[in-house]
Amino acid sequence: KAGVTQTPRYLIKTRGQQVTLSCSPISGHRSVSWYQQTPGQGLQFLFEYFSETQRNKGNFPGRFSGRQFSNSRSEMNVSTLELGDSALYLCASSLEYHYNEQFFGPGTRLTVL
Amino acid sequence: QQQVKQSPQSLIVQKGGISIINCAYENTAFDYFPWYQQFPGKGPALLIAIRPDVSEKKEGRFTISFNKSAKQFSLHIMDSQPGDSATYFCAALPSGSARQLTFGSGTQLTVLP
Repeated sequence: KAGVTQTPRYLIKTRGQQVTLSCSPISGHRSVSWYQQTPGQGLQFLFEYFSETQRNKGNFPGRFSGRQFSNSRSEMNVSTLELGDSALYLCASSLEYHYNEQFFGPGTRLTVL
Repeated sequence: QQQVKQSPQSLIVQKGGISIINCAYENTAFDYFPWYQQFPGKGPALLIAIRPDVSEKKEGRFTISFNKSAKQFSLHIMDSQPGDSATYFCAALPSGSARQLTFGSGTQLTVLP
């Protein structure tokens, strides 16, 4: 079974631009969560989608948004990029049962210049 | 507010030694405590997890010890190997439908040959 895939793997943008990151979950997984990883703040939860609905949201500004499609694939968007948005963005998918493991993708490395 | 505190930040052990990483949490709504292992360039991967109704769980060389009254849990890696050199994160998941993991700050483990 294929793992969680994220595209692109690397991205360089400039301040003020916007970016869209994509995540394809493991087949059959309907829950997709997004996390931001930085050296200073560590791993922080962005949001979770389940059956095309945002089920939970972390403490990030409205510039961070996401969506999920009917095939469970998810995208996250960051508008008006800031230097501090440079990070590894990780996507995780899981089955819907509460204790099911969250499987992480390799992440998208975003650099904002 | 850091809800899961992890220590130490870095750890160096000799091959064959025992690695111990500690975490403490504040939110009593947490009911699932996984440990993740992350290698450079990769996403975190689940190592072992425990629920609060169990005081200890062992899988191979990895053991979680859980103290519900103290709100603390720890990871023990027995017979540490150079291949165990990675960053380890403890995490906690609240009860309910949300899949929002709260992570500790991470421990960089180096196992010397």
